[in-house]
Amino acid sequence: GENVEQHPSTLSVQEGDSAVIKCTYSDSASNYFPWYKQELGKRPQLIIDIRSNVGEKKDQRIAVTLNKTAKHFSLHITETQPEDSAVYFCAAPPGGILTGGGNKLTFGTGTQLKVEL
Amino acid sequence: DAGVIQSPRHEVTEMGQEVTLRCKPISGHDYLFWYRQTMMRGLELLIYFNNNVPIDDSGMPEDRFSAKMPNASFSTLKIQPSEPRDSAVYFCASSLRQGGINTEAFFGQGTRLTVV
Repeated sequence: GENVEQHPSTLSVQEGDSAVIKCTYSDSASNYFPWYKQELGKRPQLIIDIRSNVGEKKDQRIAVTLNKTAKHFSLHITETQPEDSAVYFCAAPPGGILTGGGNKLTFGTGTQLKVEL
Repeated sequence: DAGVIQSPRHEVTEMGQEVTLRCKPISGHDYLFWYRQTMMRGLELLIYFNNNVPIDDSGMPEDRFSAKMPNASFSTLKIQPSEPRDSAVYFCASSLRQGGINTEAFFGQGTRLTVV
């Protein structure tokens, strides 16, 4: 099955700085890489995702990059704000139609991001 | 759509009691997932269904856990008998796979289970 590793486990930045969270995956056939944000006491919610046919995707202050050769993808948050403080999870599914993995996701262990004033 | 709906939001029960968690997925979604979240183990996939059929239950901890999906709009996760180590937040999520393309998994608000 898919194995997803995420680093760092905690990250503290000053407001306005950038934050980068990295993940690696094991299944070379994986083709979908979402990032979820979970605020304290709330549900995980998708903030951005990328498919294997592109190397980068950006949405305002957040971006995700994908390196399929190295099997890693990263979340970049620029101009961080206090409301960005949360736990961030990367995820990946078993790859492709042929594996029959369907839509299930293996999540990384999470990164606790703290944006300090 | 109101999103994925889980009940109850909180459950406190005594060790040995049966616990039933409920989930209503988003209408039209063909995948339903049950996840367990703890500080120690993070988000773990317990079981998932495709078109109401259980596909992979390899994440279910032991025989005390069972899940059903009798129709497209309802699923249950049952723990019998419950133990203190089952204390966690249980999330249900649903998604739609179209033409072999994975799409966003939407999570319910979770059930916080405490077994004393």
